[in-house]
Amino acid sequence: DGGITQSPKYLFRKEGQNVTLSCEQNLNHDAMYWYRQDPGQGLRLIYYSQIVNDFQKGDIAEGYSVSREKKESFPLTVTSAQKNPTAFYLCASAAHRQGLGYTFGSGTRLTVV
Amino acid sequence: AQSVTQLGSHVSVSEGALVLLRCNYSSSVPPYLFWYVQYPNQGLQLLLKYTSAATLVKGINGFEAEFKKSETSFHLTKPSAHMSDAAEYFCAVSDKMTGTASKLTFGTGTRLQVTL
Repeated sequence: DGGITQSPKYLFRKEGQNVTLSCEQNLNHDAMYWYRQDPGQGLRLIYYSQIVNDFQKGDIAEGYSVSREKKESFPLTVTSAQKNPTAFYLCASAAHRQGLGYTFGSGTRLTVV
Repeated sequence: AQSVTQLGSHVSVSEGALVLLRCNYSSSVPPYLFWYVQYPNQGLQLLLKYTSAATLVKGINGFEAEFKKSETSFHLTKPSAHMSDAAEYFCAVSDKMTGTASKLTFGTGTRLQVTL
């Protein structure tokens, strides 16, 4: 079955460490997105990519980096510059057609220890 | 820019009662609108969507929503709540982007509690 796989489900980061969250999809979707979710704040867009080798900053890109070397993969790196990284991170993908919405992964919960 | 406002961050209903979750949107063009549901520690699942066909949209799990242009609303309803409906619900509006995928803007969510 097609879908989006995020890994790991839980991740712990020490202060000053970079960590990378994985997102892989086998839906043949062109676009992929990363959102951060904090209680009471809904979903905030970090980065998105419409095609391979291209990506754009979202509303809260500072302290994060991404790459899109393959259509199926859109990893997110949380750098040490992100001062408050503890959150639930969601990856999503969409086809290049209007009105279809997104397909979401099951999320990664990142905690700073 | 398009936006959505969800009125009420928490809604509590009794099992068997009507569920009404409110969503108002702001858009300069006819929008695409979506409702998603999120269970604890999971991703978002599409409940239903409005894409300018019928104004009353039926979704999964007995939910439906009505697009009202005059009120700029897209409220989510279910006639009879079930305990399994307890979750967080997100309304979203799509920015239409020619030749690319949509970019969704989400509301802040409404947590639905269902009591016995």
